[in-house]
Amino acid sequence: QPVLTQPPSASASLGASVTLTCTLSSGYSSYRVDWYQQRPGKGPRFVMRVGTSGIVGSKGDGIPDRFSVLGSGLNRYLTIKNIQEEDESDYYCGADHGSGSNFVWVFGGGTKLTVL
Amino acid sequence: QVTLKESGPVLVKPTETLTLTCTVSGFSLSNARMGVSWIRQPPGKALEWLAHSFSNDEKSYTTSLKSRLTISKDTSKSQVVLTMTNMDPVDTATYYCARIRDSGDYRWFDPWGLGTLVTVSS
Repeated sequence: QPVLTQPPSASASLGASVTLTCTLSSGYSSYRVDWYQQRPGKGPRFVMRVGTSGIVGSKGDGIPDRFSVLGSGLNRYLTIKNIQEEDESDYYCGADHGSGSNFVWVFGGGTKLTVL
Repeated sequence: QVTLKESGPVLVKPTETLTLTCTVSGFSLSNARMGVSWIRQPPGKALEWLAHSFSNDEKSYTTSLKSRLTISKDTSKSQVVLTMTNMDPVDTATYYCARIRDSGDYRWFDPWGLGTLVTVSS
């Protein structure tokens, strides 16, 4: 199964842009990943799924247009433009692997985004 | 509106068995291409997927905890139950349930419950 690696922290000023990275382990370059946002003290919220061709399917409910994704090689990116205070959250990437009773999900370690 | 709510004990003792219930509303556990997963998060740490139960009765478990976990569902009660045996202080975490949606090509979690914090201590 894949291993997902995320930088532990990122920061950006109000109104600026930031790109968060999720890196798949070697051999899993075709995998798509989901991005989840977790605001302080809250449960996670689905943002969107990304593959090598960009977004897969639709964004989660209420996710603004400021959020976009890209994929390249082993990296899957989440970009947030015009950062707002409410974007300060932990962001996790996740991927599914296998099928049937061998179906598993893995998550990255998360990136804490601080809005300056 | 789809909602999921976790319930269960706040405190369990080491070696005890934990039983958590996820009660869903806004969709049926028998709906095609839907299911429920349990995911946990130790304080200040990352998410860890535990198990899932799908509409076609498919079940799966994380490899590292497979011997300790059992997931079941009661469609008539709109509930999915997770049991974890032989609890240890390292199992202290917020436990979430989340709906699994299936496009036919891939699956994702949406929405999630608010979570329930379980502390393991004597």
